[in-house]
Amino acid sequence: DVKVTQSSRYLVKRTGEKVFLECVQDMDHENMFWYRQDPGLGLRLIYFSYDVKMKEKGDIPEGYSVSREKKERFSLILESASTNQTSMYLCASSPTQENNEKLFFGSGTQLSVL
Amino acid sequence: DAKTTQPPSMDCAEGRAANLPCNHSTISGNEYVYWYRQIHSQGPQYIIHGLKNNETNEMASLIITEDRKSSTLILPHATLRDTAVYYCIVRAPLTTDSWGKLQFGAGTQVVVTP
Repeated sequence: DVKVTQSSRYLVKRTGEKVFLECVQDMDHENMFWYRQDPGLGLRLIYFSYDVKMKEKGDIPEGYSVSREKKERFSLILESASTNQTSMYLCASSPTQENNEKLFFGSGTQLSVL
Repeated sequence: DAKTTQPPSMDCAEGRAANLPCNHSTISGNEYVYWYRQIHSQGPQYIIHGLKNNETNEMASLIITEDRKSSTLILPHATLRDTAVYYCIVRAPLTTDSWGKLQFGAGTQVVVTP
């Protein structure tokens, strides 16, 4: 079965800490995505990658960076965590198929920044 | 991408069919209709998508009206595990700029009761 695994289910960090969120997929998908989900705002795309070492900004990249050194792994980095980055973070992957944006999501990481 | 309208909530009895409506009256000719669902504390899960024709898979059926202004997702035999928020999303064909930018609205909270 298809699987997207996020390294942590819950994280609590302090303001100013550097935070790493890891995501691994086992489906050999080309595309990987990071979203955050907040009540009333839906899912918002932070960054995505369509190939190893490639990255593209999504709708809300400020305060975040990403790394994709291997095809199966996509990391989200909060350089200096702030309280407004408290959120549910969701990783997703998808194959490159024309007219079929079938996203596979991980279970999410609930990050609290104190 | 066209806007969608869904009822905020609906109840369904276990074992019965659940019919989830979605209005997308401004849909363009090349836009697809996607359905995802999100079970509490999990990431969204792809269900089905279609363009013009009705579609069926192991999870659900998608019925799109002839004028494409509305659609219905059918869960043929609802179970308690189908309790989730269901999202109807209209999506133009993919371009490099649009990857991952699915607009998840408020969705329909479906509660399946014994």
